[in-house]
Amino acid sequence: AQSVTQLDSQVPVFEEAPVELRCNYSSSVSVYLFWYVQYPNQGLQLLLKYLSGSTLVESINGFEAEFNKSQTSFHLRKPSVHISDTAEYFCAVRRPGGGYQKVTFGTGTKLQVIP
Amino acid sequence: DGGITQSPKYLFRKEGQNVTLSCEQNLNHDAMYWYRQDPGQGLRLIYYSQIVNDFQKGDIAEGYSVSREKKESFPLTVTSAQKNPTAFYLCASGIPGGDTQYFGPGTRLTVL
Repeated sequence: AQSVTQLDSQVPVFEEAPVELRCNYSSSVSVYLFWYVQYPNQGLQLLLKYLSGSTLVESINGFEAEFNKSQTSFHLRKPSVHISDTAEYFCAVRRPGGGYQKVTFGTGTKLQVIP
Repeated sequence: DGGITQSPKYLFRKEGQNVTLSCEQNLNHDAMYWYRQDPGQGLRLIYYSQIVNDFQKGDIAEGYSVSREKKESFPLTVTSAQKNPTAFYLCASGIPGGDTQYFGPGTRLTVL
């Protein structure tokens, strides 16, 4: 079985400040890791993913996440947030070859960027 | 423009009525999924379909039903047996074995 823990349900941060959204997972096998972003009353959009290779992955809008196998973490970071980053962020895990029916989502972290 | 559409965006129903949520995709994906989202609980899988005319129960299928008669369509019916149907419902699709899942914009169902 696998699980995902997002420790913070809400993270307030001032505009242009750095932010880290934490994600820890538990799995007995290797996993794929994902971060999704959800704007109010919208669907989820894939932000970035780790499948294999380089442990640091980046998105096109300045977010990055680092896969840390020893700490079983996949924290999401951005060095300087913008008002438009206000959204809910979901971490997800799936084992390779498992199919999307095997995806486990975290409970989400609401990022509130304060002007 | 390829994507997933869900309609309607907001839906209100009286308790005891069945209601059907629409999900259509033009991404030519074989696999489609229905999730339920409640505040603070993340996404939970209701039903999924890997191919036309076949579907499987997810983690919380009780009180829901689906059909998959066409590749591009995967409607979800919320029946009167679902005890707490008020929620945000998300449809998704993907290529079986692929690494990316695509989500629709969601339908917010409120049962009065």
